[in-house]
Amino acid sequence: DAGVTQSPTHLIKTRGQQVTLRCSPKSGHDTVSWYQQALGQGPQFIFQYYEEEERQRGNFPDRFSGHQFPNYSSELNVNALLLGDSALYLCASSSRQRGIQYFGAGTRLSVL
Amino acid sequence: KQEVTQIPAALSVPEGENLVLNCSFTDSAIYNLQWFRQDPGKGLTSLLLIQSSQREQTSGRLNASLDKSSGRSTLYIAASQPGDSATYLCAVRPGSSNTGKLIFGQGTTLQVKP
Repeated sequence: DAGVTQSPTHLIKTRGQQVTLRCSPKSGHDTVSWYQQALGQGPQFIFQYYEEEERQRGNFPDRFSGHQFPNYSSELNVNALLLGDSALYLCASSSRQRGIQYFGAGTRLSVL
Repeated sequence: KQEVTQIPAALSVPEGENLVLNCSFTDSAIYNLQWFRQDPGKGLTSLLLIQSSQREQTSGRLNASLDKSSGRSTLYIAASQPGDSATYLCAVRPGSSNTGKLIFGQGTTLQVKP
């Protein structure tokens, strides 16, 4: 049984570009949450998707958007990249019933 | 606004020592609290989850306690080993539901020296 998988593993972009990160949830999970983890900090909640809708959002600008597909996989999109967007982006999946979040290995985004 | 603080930020101990990591949170209205381990550049591995109605949870050499009224949790690691070297994060789930976000502390980076 595959756990939460994220792609790509690493990504390098320049300021102003746009990026899309992908997440496949653990089998049986229907909810996907995204977090941003800056170096030396704890993860910060970006948003959560369930039934293809954004259900909860953290304190992130509209440049951060997402999508959930009918197969429960999810994308995180970031527009107009800033240097400060450099971070490890973590995806967590859970079932609505149990709520325990399982994390993927993350995507390391570097903005130059 | 819920805030989670972990002290100390870093800890270095000799192998075999027992140690305690601390986590505090400002709002006692939490659904549960979870301790995670993170190896450098990697994702998070859940260690222990304590429901708001529980006082402690144990797994092997790990024991986590929760005092919701005082806004504190501790993670006790017995007989530490070099393989325990990692960053330990605590996270609370605010509110009264098992859905929704986790709010994390900044972590404690542990080094266990052989």
